[in-house]
Amino acid sequence: GAVVSQHPSRVICKSGTSVKIECRSLDFQATTMFWYRQFPKQSLMLMATSNEGSKATYEQGVEKDKFLINHASLTLSTLTVTSAHPEDSSFYICRSTGPMNTEAFFGQGTRLTVV
Amino acid sequence: GDSVTQMEGPVTLSEEAFLTINCTYTATGYPSLFWYVQYPGEGLQLLLKATKADDKGSNKGFEATYRKETTSFHLEKGSVQVSDSAVYFCALSPANQAGTALIFGKGTTLSVSS
Repeated sequence: GAVVSQHPSRVICKSGTSVKIECRSLDFQATTMFWYRQFPKQSLMLMATSNEGSKATYEQGVEKDKFLINHASLTLSTLTVTSAHPEDSSFYICRSTGPMNTEAFFGQGTRLTVV
Repeated sequence: GDSVTQMEGPVTLSEEAFLTINCTYTATGYPSLFWYVQYPGEGLQLLLKATKADDKGSNKGFEATYRKETTSFHLEKGSVQVSDSAVYFCALSPANQAGTALIFGKGTTLSVSS
């Protein structure tokens, strides 16, 4: 079945640095990629929706200059957390619709810790 | 707007106990309903789904029935195992937006002991 590979699974970085998270669709073309953030004991919060070749659409309250999303190809979407702060520490998950556009496939998630 | 409400956890059970995790929703029309499971340190996996009223989704011994009259999609399993310990999310996809928008409940943590 369709697989979305997310990397890295876990990252620790210093405050002020930037971290890039990648999501790749391994055997299908992901026209649309969704990026979520999950706080401890909370639900998934949709951050933004990216479509290949166009600018991402950000949800209200999400800083687009801080969370840079690039979807330059049909198999790769990236989320870059710029100038990270400890409050950015969270679990980030990508999701793509499948080749039939009727299913959802999640990446494995990235645990970001900013120290 | 559309929303999902699920029972708060954690739910703590002994092995072979019966499990129910309640989920209710608010939506216009006939949304698609899902249960996702998240094992420790991993992303979400689709557990089961139902796309129309009275449909029953089932997988790995888990079941949930789409009840339009009560706007519910409760998750049940007759005999849980330690390996079922995870966080379970109820979600809906609004009508006419299949595969795109997904709205999640807050998640319910299940802990099963032997």
